[in-house]
Amino acid sequence: GAGVSQSPSNKVTEKGKDVELRCDPISGHTALYWYRQSLGQGLEFLIYFQGNSAPDKSGLPSDRFSAERTGGSVSTLTIQRTQQEDSAVYLCASSLSVLDTQYFGPGTRLTVL
Amino acid sequence: QKEVEQNSGPLSVPEGAIASLNCTYSDRGSQSFFWYRQYSGKSPELIMSIYSNGDKEDGRFTAQLNKASQYVSLLIRDSQPSDSATYLCAVDTGNNRKLIWGLGTSLAVNP
Repeated sequence: GAGVSQSPSNKVTEKGKDVELRCDPISGHTALYWYRQSLGQGLEFLIYFQGNSAPDKSGLPSDRFSAERTGGSVSTLTIQRTQQEDSAVYLCASSLSVLDTQYFGPGTRLTVL
Repeated sequence: QKEVEQNSGPLSVPEGAIASLNCTYSDRGSQSFFWYRQYSGKSPELIMSIYSNGDKEDGRFTAQLNKASQYVSLLIRDSQPSDSATYLCAVDTGNNRKLIWGLGTSLAVNP
C-alpha cells in the first residue's frame, strides 16, 4: 500500500515568510509525528497526534510553530515568520498507535534564505 | 530528563565482520525498543523492534535487550558495504509513551 507522503519535497523561502508543510499518513494509522533533522544531527521531536487526544506539543521550539491534523488524517505543520535557523529537513511519521513501528515519509527540505 | 545515548562513531568494520552497536537508556519504565537505519539523505526505516529481555534474531540482525542494565544492542553479522548508514536507537518513555531517539551511530563497512 501507499506509504507516508509529504509535500513539498523542497521548499526555499525568504526569512520572515510563513510556510506550510503537509503530511499524508498511512491510511488507518492513528498516530502521526513531526520531527526536524538538521544536517548531521539527530531527530528532534516536534509534535505528535494520537487519535482524538490533545496533541503533545512539547517539542515545538517556539510559538512560531504550529500543527493541526484534520479529520484524523492529513496534517499540516506551519512555521510563521521563518528564520534561518529553521532550515532543516522536516520528517513526518505515522504508526498504527503510539508505540507501534513508525513509518517515515521522505521529508521536506526547508531552506530559509 | 529521559535520555537515550549512543556512541556517535564512526564505527568502522571490514566486510564480513560483526558490527556491534550499543544504546543505553535512562528510564527504567521503558518497554519498547527500536533500531532504525538511516542512509545519508534518506528517511529512517525500521530494522528491529524488541520488547522482552534476551535476543531477537532476524536474518543477519540480532537485537539484544537487557532491562536490568538498561541497554539494547544491535549486532550485524557478515557486514556488507550496503550496511553503511547511521543506526538510530529509539526507546519509549514509559509514562507518556512517546519515543525518545538517540543521536545515532554512524557505521562504515569497508570492502
